[in-house]
Amino acid sequence: KAGVTQTPRYLIKTRGQQVTLSCSPISGHRSVSWYQQTPGQGLQFLFEYFSETQRNKGNFPGRFSGRQFSNSRSEMNVSTLELGDSALYLCASSSGLVNTGELFFGEGSRLTVL
Amino acid sequence: SQQGEEDPQALSIQEGENATMNCSYKTSINNLQWYRQNSGRGLVHLILIRSNEREKHSGRLRVTLDTSKKSSSLLITASRAADTASYFCATDASGYGGSQGNLIFGKGTKLSVKP
Repeated sequence: KAGVTQTPRYLIKTRGQQVTLSCSPISGHRSVSWYQQTPGQGLQFLFEYFSETQRNKGNFPGRFSGRQFSNSRSEMNVSTLELGDSALYLCASSSGLVNTGELFFGEGSRLTVL
Repeated sequence: SQQGEEDPQALSIQEGENATMNCSYKTSINNLQWYRQNSGRGLVHLILIRSNEREKHSGRLRVTLDTSKKSSSLLITASRAADTASYFCATDASGYGGSQGNLIFGKGTKLSVKP
């Protein structure tokens, strides 16, 4: 069974630009969550999608948005990039139906904003 | 705000020694999990302990949970150089109205195991 796949793995943007990150969950998983990891703030929850609907949202500004497609693949977008958005963005999937608790993480997309 | 806080922030030991990491949290939980992260990579789930359990084992891992003290510990026995990584505890966000995919992570313990 293939794991969670995130693309791109690395990217460099400049302030003011926007970026779109993609996540393909484990086959059969319907829940996709996104996390931002920085040295200062650690791992912070961005949002969770289940069956194309946002189920939960963390405390991030509206510049951070996401969506989920009918095949459960998810994208997140960050507009008007700021230097502080430089981070490792992690996607995690779970079945979303039975709360086993465990999340399966991808390798992350490392974003550098110059 | 961070739910889980690990202690110590960094730990350096020799191969063969045991490593103990602690985690404290703030609100009521359904379960507590431990994850491992190799430098700059994704997180790997290690073990989950439910709120009605006190201790759980998996291979060289032993996790304890004390809900009265809102704390947990992760013990890695007979550590190996390959155990070098950061270890995070994570709690469900049910106390904050969160859903399954919404975990609250601590800042982690960076473990270094020297050969």
